[in-house]
Amino acid sequence: RKEVEQDPGPFNVPEGATVAFNCTYSNSASQSFFWYRQDCRKEPKLLMSVYSSGNEDGRFTAQLNRASQYISLLIRDSKLSDSATYLCVVNKTCTNAGKSTFGDGTTLTVKP
Amino acid sequence: ETGVTQTPRHLVMGMTNKKSLKCEQHLGHNAMYWYKQSAKKPLELMFVYNFKEQTENNSVPSRFSPECPNSSHLFLHLHTLQPEDSALYLCASSQDLGRNYGYTFGSGTRLTVV
Repeated sequence: RKEVEQDPGPFNVPEGATVAFNCTYSNSASQSFFWYRQDCRKEPKLLMSVYSSGNEDGRFTAQLNRASQYISLLIRDSKLSDSATYLCVVNKTCTNAGKSTFGDGTTLTVKP
Repeated sequence: ETGVTQTPRHLVMGMTNKKSLKCEQHLGHNAMYWYKQSAKKPLELMFVYNFKEQTENNSVPSRFSPECPNSSHLFLHLHTLQPEDSALYLCASSQDLGRNYGYTFGSGTRLTVV
């Protein structure tokens, strides 16, 4: 089993749609969680951290479920510019600080 | 300049060549990283440096040799590479190794080994 597994995708949605991605992690002691966005042939960019209480940034909402060991990213009112690959990232325990594990990514295409 | 800067952006090298990738960050971060991204594969951590000391070598072959002269600069020296080493090499930095810090990535060097 992979340490971090994401929805395989791809997701093709019309503008204005709501789309959600899930990511599961295998290490129950994982401490911190992030979503990154990577455009084609570009570097990943931090989209948002994921907190236990859930957090929202405009049209984006991230949630963490420690009991079920998954995180999610919800995008409301999708824009064409949201088309990208979304990477789930999990940081391990304090003793392995700095060793983040990246998921394979979920590709989103928003169409007119 | 701001952020994380990587040079060169593209590199084509023969298997007998020696080249170096350079990374510089202007964010005042203490930790720097090298990642490899191959086609259809997730990012793979290669090396971690914290306060210019190497804290992680993720079983990387010795044909890749990192160097971190100070907290702002990171190099990856390459020699006798194989075609399967062709990939996007990404440098990243973070405030510290603390678990709550996300990364800032450079634009990467797209390496082709012929």
